[in-house]
Amino acid sequence: KQEVTQIPAALSVPEGENLVLNCSFTDSAIYNLQWFRQDPGKGLTSLLLIQSSQREQTSGRLNASLDKSSGRSTLYIAASQPGDSATYLCAVRHSNYQLIWGAGTKLIIKP
Amino acid sequence: GAGVSQSPSNKVTEKGKDVELRCDPISGHTALYWYRQRLGQGLEFLIYFQGNSAPDKSGLPSDRFSAERTGESVSTLTIQRTQQEDSAVYLCASSTGLEGDEQYFGPGTRLTVT
Repeated sequence: KQEVTQIPAALSVPEGENLVLNCSFTDSAIYNLQWFRQDPGKGLTSLLLIQSSQREQTSGRLNASLDKSSGRSTLYIAASQPGDSATYLCAVRHSNYQLIWGAGTKLIIKP
Repeated sequence: GAGVSQSPSNKVTEKGKDVELRCDPISGHTALYWYRQRLGQGLEFLIYFQGNSAPDKSGLPSDRFSAERTGESVSTLTIQRTQQEDSAVYLCASSTGLEGDEQYFGPGTRLTVT
């Protein structure tokens, strides 16, 4: 059974720091992995999607890597800003359609 | 174009009442998904619709939960005889239905059962 774990559960850092969020999964047979951002009271915003054949994806200050063999993905945020404060969710596409989710990392960027 | 929309955004109901939640997917998306997110937890898969195929209902937690979809458009998730443990945010997503495609999420409906 596919399980997704995100560490840490919460993280608080000063503005301007670079940081890494971690996601691990137990079954390497995945279609893709997606990182989302969730703001309080709002829906999910897709940040990056990495197909199983890819190693990383970049968008602006965000870089996500995928190592299927070890069951790990990282989301790197460069030069963090207070506006980056949110909960970051990792989801693995385990079957043709079903997403298996981590519980998220709550990130607070202190001005 | 318009994204996935859901209504209502918030719903407060008394224990034992039935509720209906609505999802309007992105036009042209054949696949539609319902998820539930309890406070402080990740999302749980509830049900999946793909075109005219039989839906995958394997994630529905009990027979009080049901969902319908008319063709490739609107879907409704119905919870009968609501219980306090049904309190959660219910999220809907749609996608093109192609292998490995990206799911696009609506803003969710926050359900509170008192």
